[in-house]
Amino acid sequence: DAGVTQSPTHLIKTRGQQVTLRCSPKSGHDTVSWYQQALGQGPQFIFQYYEEEERQRGNFPDRFSGHQFPNYSSELNVNALLLGDSALYLCASSHQGPSGNTIYFGEGSWLTVV
Amino acid sequence: GENVEQHPSTLSVQEGDSAVIKCTYSDSASNYFPWYKQELGKRPQLIIDIRSNVGEKKDQRIAVTLNKTAKHFSLHITETQPEDSAVYFCAATTDSWGKLQFGSGTQVVVTP
Repeated sequence: DAGVTQSPTHLIKTRGQQVTLRCSPKSGHDTVSWYQQALGQGPQFIFQYYEEEERQRGNFPDRFSGHQFPNYSSELNVNALLLGDSALYLCASSHQGPSGNTIYFGEGSWLTVV
Repeated sequence: GENVEQHPSTLSVQEGDSAVIKCTYSDSASNYFPWYKQELGKRPQLIIDIRSNVGEKKDQRIAVTLNKTAKHFSLHITETQPEDSAVYFCAATTDSWGKLQFGSGTQVVVTP
């Protein structure tokens, strides 16, 4: 049973560039959430996808966008990168079952903007 | 929206002692409270969780308690070991689909 997988694990981008991060949820999960974790801080919710639509969004600018595919996998896109976008980007998957949801995180993608 | 406060920010304990981390939340509608352990450079790993219909849950050396009236929940680690050293995050959600609000984290250091 595969867990939550993310790619790439590490990447370096230049200010102004665009980046795409990918996530495959845990088997049986249909909801994908993305979080940004800056160094020394807790994860901050970016947005959540279910049935290929953005269901909820945190306090992040429109430069952050996403997509969910029919197989439940998801992408996070960040345009016009800023130095402050350097962080660990975490994908979390969940599925609402009869006993409630349990949320699992992937290993994350470390993004460095220079 | 939900706000979660976590204390202490750092916690040093001797191996074998107990460690307690406390969190408070603001939204009485919150119904799911997971705890994550994050080692340096790694992802948050779920170590225990509790739902609002339960007051206490235990898994070996780890236990979580929930006081809905006071809106706080705590993580208890007994017989601490050096491998328990990590950053621990509490979280809460009013949303059964999984939008988590995290606390600020507690750096736990267990010294042999």
